[in-house]
This record gives sequence, structure tokens and C-alpha cells, in this order.
Amino acid sequence: KQEVTQIPAALSVPEGENLVLNCSFTDSAIYNLQWFRQDPGKGLTSLLLIQSSQREQTSGRLNASLDKSSGRSTLYIAASQPGDSATYLCAVSTPVTSGSRLTFGEGTQLTVNP
Amino acid sequence: GAVVSQHPSRVICKSGTSVKIECRSLDFQATTMFWYRQFPKQSLMLMATSNEGSKATYEQGVEKDKFLINHASLTLSTLTVTSAHPEDSSFYICSAPEVWPTYEQYFGPGTRLTVT
Repeated sequence: KQEVTQIPAALSVPEGENLVLNCSFTDSAIYNLQWFRQDPGKGLTSLLLIQSSQREQTSGRLNASLDKSSGRSTLYIAASQPGDSATYLCAVSTPVTSGSRLTFGEGTQLTVNP
Repeated sequence: GAVVSQHPSRVICKSGTSVKIECRSLDFQATTMFWYRQFPKQSLMLMATSNEGSKATYEQGVEKDKFLINHASLTLSTLTVTSAHPEDSSFYICSAPEVWPTYEQYFGPGTRLTVT
């Protein structure tokens, strides 16, 4: 059974700092790994999708890496801003009989202080 | 990217009534959709897999008679919370996966259910 762990559970940084969020998973037989952002009381916003054959993806100030063999992914946020404050969720897509199944980590709650 | 819609976005109902939530894939067909539940300050918990033309698959601990799922077409799945109670108050989110080649999951905006 796939298990996804995110560290740290919460992180508070001053504005402008670069930061790294970590995600680990137990089963390396994955289709892809997705990073999401969730603001309080809102739905999920997809940030980056890394296919199992890829090593990293970049979008603006965000860079996500994937090391499938070790079961790890990191989300790097450069020059953090108060607007980056949210909960960041990592999710892994795993093959199942009917297609695919997504397993979520518990999330990292990020606060960027002005 | 693909778009998934949910309706309603918010619903308040009285204890004992039933509530139906719709999930639609707007620009692609989805033979499978997923229903998640999220309690405050927790991650998403998979409730069930909705399969077009066949019965839904429920996760352990989820009552199938309580949470009725119907996947009547390739673009619509519905979740009905029957005889709702205050403990059913939660955030319900659906998703639909693209199949080959990306298997990317597209999420609806969620439905906030409050049972009074």
C-alpha cells in the first residue's frame, strides 16, 4: 500500500527566503507525482506534475524534483512571498487494476511573514 | 488543462435530509472519478472510486448505503449523502483522471456541506 509522508508539517519563514518542502513515498511504481496548493477553505490548485520518467519540473519560482528510486520529491520555492502562504500537498499516482489511484501526504502548512 | 466542475459549491441542510453533489468533467470523458472527503486541517481522504456503468468501489470504513455514488455517463458522477447528520459536515472534492499518457488528476473546486 502506497504511503506518502510530507516534512515538515508546518513551516514559517520571513519573506524573501528560499525554502524546500519534502515528500517521500514507499512504492516507487508510480505514474507521476503532483504538487498542489490549497488555500484555507478552498479547493486544490495544481502546481507541478512530474511524470515517473522525469527528474524535475519548473514553473516560475517553483521547482519540483523527483527521485523515484529513493521515493523522494522536493518542492523548491524561490524568493518566497506572503502570497505563497498556503498548505502544500504532495500526491502520488499509482497503477491499480482500474487505472490509477492518487495517494496524498498530510501536507505542509507554509506561512511567509512580511 | 482539463476542467472538472462541482455543484453546488456550498450547501446547508437539516439533519435527516439527503444532499446530492454533482461532479462533471467538462472537456474530457472520464470512465473513473474519485470522491474525497477533507476534514479541517487534514489531508484528503479517498472515499470511493466511481466507475461509469458499474458499481462504485468504496474504501474501507466508508458506508456505501450512506454515500450513494452514481456514474451515469462518461462526464457525470454524483455523490448523495443520505440521511445526513452533523458529523457528515465536511469538504467533499471530486477528481477525474486523464488516462494515457499522463494519468494526471483534475480536481473539482469542492463542495462545503454543513448539516445543522
